[in-house]
Amino acid sequence: DAKTTQPNSMESNEEEPVHLPCNHSTISGTDYIHWYRQLPSQGPEYVIHGLTSNVNNRMASLAIAEDRKSSTLILHRATLRDAAVYYCILRLGTSYGKLTFGQGTILTVHP
Amino acid sequence: ETGVTQSPTHLIKTRGQQVTLRCSSQSGHNTVSWYQQALGQGPQFIFQYYREEENGRGNFPPRFSGLQFPNYSSELNVNALELDDSALYLCASSLGGAQSYEQYFGPGTRLTVT
Repeated sequence: DAKTTQPNSMESNEEEPVHLPCNHSTISGTDYIHWYRQLPSQGPEYVIHGLTSNVNNRMASLAIAEDRKSSTLILHRATLRDAAVYYCILRLGTSYGKLTFGQGTILTVHP
Repeated sequence: ETGVTQSPTHLIKTRGQQVTLRCSSQSGHNTVSWYQQALGQGPQFIFQYYREEENGRGNFPPRFSGLQFPNYSSELNVNALELDDSALYLCASSLGGAQSYEQYFGPGTRLTVT
């Protein structure tokens, strides 16, 4: 599986935007970029995914670099509820459902 | 719509024993994946079941086995428990096997092996 690199931790203030980076320099053409987050004492939660184009949904936006070697998850207005571990995952488009989680980024949101 | 549920919530077992963990998938989902999450680590893929057949496995020994039932619920069985098996076990359901993009996770079962 292609590997992703994320900062160990980031901090933000409530109601400010948060940009969570992810590097994936060995990404292949058929790898989708997925983001999941895990709130304390809960299972992971799907956030967003994309292949080449930027994506938006009700939770977040995903900005994908033109060469696809990096991406950024954008939370437009952080809330205390967004404090979680955020995982950037590459998943082969035609593979079965295996998700390969790394260490993720611990996001702390200050009131 | 009912989400993914897992039972039991917590479990304490002794080394060498066997354990069965259960998962009910989200309504309409035919694919179940199991993950092991050690403290402070990301989840590690154990295996996946699609329409009652195992169709993918991670780097776990054969003493980790599973079943998927006709109603798509699933069991994870672990034989000859070791201390390192202490972890949070997560079940995730999805739709459509290889074409599923979103996996919906349950809250997990916390297994402690003493």
